[in-house]
Amino acid sequence: EDQVTQSPEALRLQEGESSSLNCSYTVSGLRGLFWYRQDPGKGPEFLFTLYSAGEEKEKERLKATLTKKESFLHITAPKPEDSATYLCAVQWLRGTYKYIFGTGTRLKVLA
Amino acid sequence: DAGVIQSPRHEVTEMGQEVTLRCKPISGHDYLFWYRQTMMRGLELLIYFNNNVPIDDSGMPEDRFSAKMPNASFSTLKIQPSEPRDSAVYFCASSLVGNSYNEQFFGPGTRLTVL
Repeated sequence: EDQVTQSPEALRLQEGESSSLNCSYTVSGLRGLFWYRQDPGKGPEFLFTLYSAGEEKEKERLKATLTKKESFLHITAPKPEDSATYLCAVQWLRGTYKYIFGTGTRLKVLA
Repeated sequence: DAGVIQSPRHEVTEMGQEVTLRCKPISGHDYLFWYRQTMMRGLELLIYFNNNVPIDDSGMPEDRFSAKMPNASFSTLKIQPSEPRDSAVYFCASSLVGNSYNEQFFGPGTRLTVL
């Protein structure tokens, strides 16, 4: 069964304390892996798309990487404004364009 | 662009009543998705459309739920009759397949409370 698992469920960091979020998947035939950020009371906001193992994408303090079975979202020297829920989603090759979402990691960065 | 527009933003209704949620996708997008988000189950896909045609409704929980897309700029999700377990945040998203990042753009959501 296709599954997407994110860990940890919740993470508290001090400002400046770097860490990584994990997204592992068992989808056979990956079309793409997506990272989104969701703030309370808002819809998910797109961050990155990764298509193949070894690919990396960066945006400000965030860097996403992809292997054949998992993706990491690295947060370098986070700030309080990085506090949000980070969601990953996978899209697979079986002729559809729908996502399977993970349950997310709730990140809190303390000043 | 105004982004994906959803209405209402909040809906409170009583069990047994009909609820209609509305969505206007981004102009030019060819896919539209309806999701439901709860603490217990996270973000679940309910149904999606391609060029106004329903492609996959396997996520629709039961016959009380129905969705339509009469034209490229409007979609509705209807629940009739509503039940307390339908309480959730409902998101609409749209995308243009073939763009660089293949991402979906989400609306602000409708928070539904069924009493």
